[in-house]
Amino acid sequence: GQQLNQSPQSMFIQEGEDVSMNCTSSSIFNTWLWYKQDPGEGPVLLIALYKAGELTSNGRLTAQFGITRKDSFLNISASIPSDVGIYFCAGQYNFNKFYFGSGTKLNVKP
Amino acid sequence: NAGVTQTPKFRVLKTGQSMTLLCAQDMNHEYMYWYRQDPGMGLRLIHYSVGEGTTAKGEVPDGYNVSRLKKQNFLLGLESAAPSQTSVYFCASSYGGLIVYNEQFFGPGTRLTVL
Repeated sequence: GQQLNQSPQSMFIQEGEDVSMNCTSSSIFNTWLWYKQDPGEGPVLLIALYKAGELTSNGRLTAQFGITRKDSFLNISASIPSDVGIYFCAGQYNFNKFYFGSGTKLNVKP
Repeated sequence: NAGVTQTPKFRVLKTGQSMTLLCAQDMNHEYMYWYRQDPGMGLRLIHYSVGEGTTAKGEVPDGYNVSRLKKQNFLLGLESAAPSQTSVYFCASSYGGLIVYNEQFFGPGTRLTVL
């Protein structure tokens, strides 16, 4: 199956710091999405990207769809304790099926 | 709108027992999906459906069956549970059709333990 490489696997940061994580693929995608999962809950969509080169923001979150269509990154600025959770990237290829990265676990120290 | 709901939230089975997980969505979405999530791994697609009465295999379909008799419901069945099926199961739905509206929305998950 499709493989998405998401990094880093985990991060420990201080409140107020900026965070960056990314996903790469060996194949191109038509859509990139970023989700956040809190403990004991399902993933919640944060940002959706539809065009190569697209840069989209949602509050303190910014994500970009790579020009090659094989990668995407997510930045979180001025992190706060409620940013704690697992962040997943997902890519869609040519049908309505999604492939997920293995997640980045974010820990924020107050 | 309740969005995507799943029942039950937790379940413990013995090896060989059977059970059905129910997913319901009230967003009139065409597409529905079942995923499993294991520690340290992303979500892996078990089965999916592109409309009422249709189902298709995903990445890890073995040991599972599904049915989509009504548009709003998608059932996942385990006929003879095995310890390897201990996992958290997530249901999701998406609008379908035009690619721009295909974001998936997830339910809260079902934690299944097979002893």
